[in-house]
Amino acid sequence: TQLLEQSPQFLSIQEGENLTVYCNSSSVFSSLQWYRQEPGEGPVLLVTVVTGGEVKKLKRLTFQFGDARKDSSLHITAAQPGDTGLYLCAGASTSYGKLTFGQGTILTVHP
Amino acid sequence: DTAVSQTPKYLVTQMGNDKSIKCEQNLGHDTMYWYKQDSKKFLKIMFSYNNKELIINETVPNRFSPKSPDKAHLNLHINSLELGDSAVYFCASSLMGTTHSGANVLTFGAGSRLTVL
Repeated sequence: TQLLEQSPQFLSIQEGENLTVYCNSSSVFSSLQWYRQEPGEGPVLLVTVVTGGEVKKLKRLTFQFGDARKDSSLHITAAQPGDTGLYLCAGASTSYGKLTFGQGTILTVHP
Repeated sequence: DTAVSQTPKYLVTQMGNDKSIKCEQNLGHDTMYWYKQDSKKFLKIMFSYNNKELIINETVPNRFSPKSPDKAHLNLHINSLELGDSAVYFCASSLMGTTHSGANVLTFGAGSRLTVL
């Protein structure tokens, strides 16, 4: 069974601060996805990283896939209250593209 | 609107009852999923259907029975509900094999919150 350890589980910061969320596994994934979920809604895809060492930027969000394709990170620069939400990483296996989700990080950004 | 729609959004019922959650997608996707999200926000896959064929069946009690009448619909029927079944159930869909390295990007519904009393 592939497992993804996501940390931290909770993050409470002030507006303007930077933060990093980590996703680690002992398994190799064919790709890794990051989703954001708001209360009462389903997760929405932010980004997919595929190649080991890949870095993708989405405005103030930077996503990185580890060289060995076992880990990933999400870095947010100058966090804003609108970034508040649940962030989920998900690793894709080669078996029908099955996704294994991390435990999630609940981010709260205070004005 | 193109989307994944699931009903009902909220479901409150007594232990021992049988209930169903319905899901429909109009995205033209060929694969649909049911996920369970527990109180700690952990998302766990339950089932997946590709073109009406069951392709993923995780260790789920056989009280849970998915049914896919066509590739745009995937329903979940739960028999003899237990307290531990209380959770948010998410339907999702994707287009198999069209993204990098088999990475199917999921489009989720808004969830169905089931509360068993």
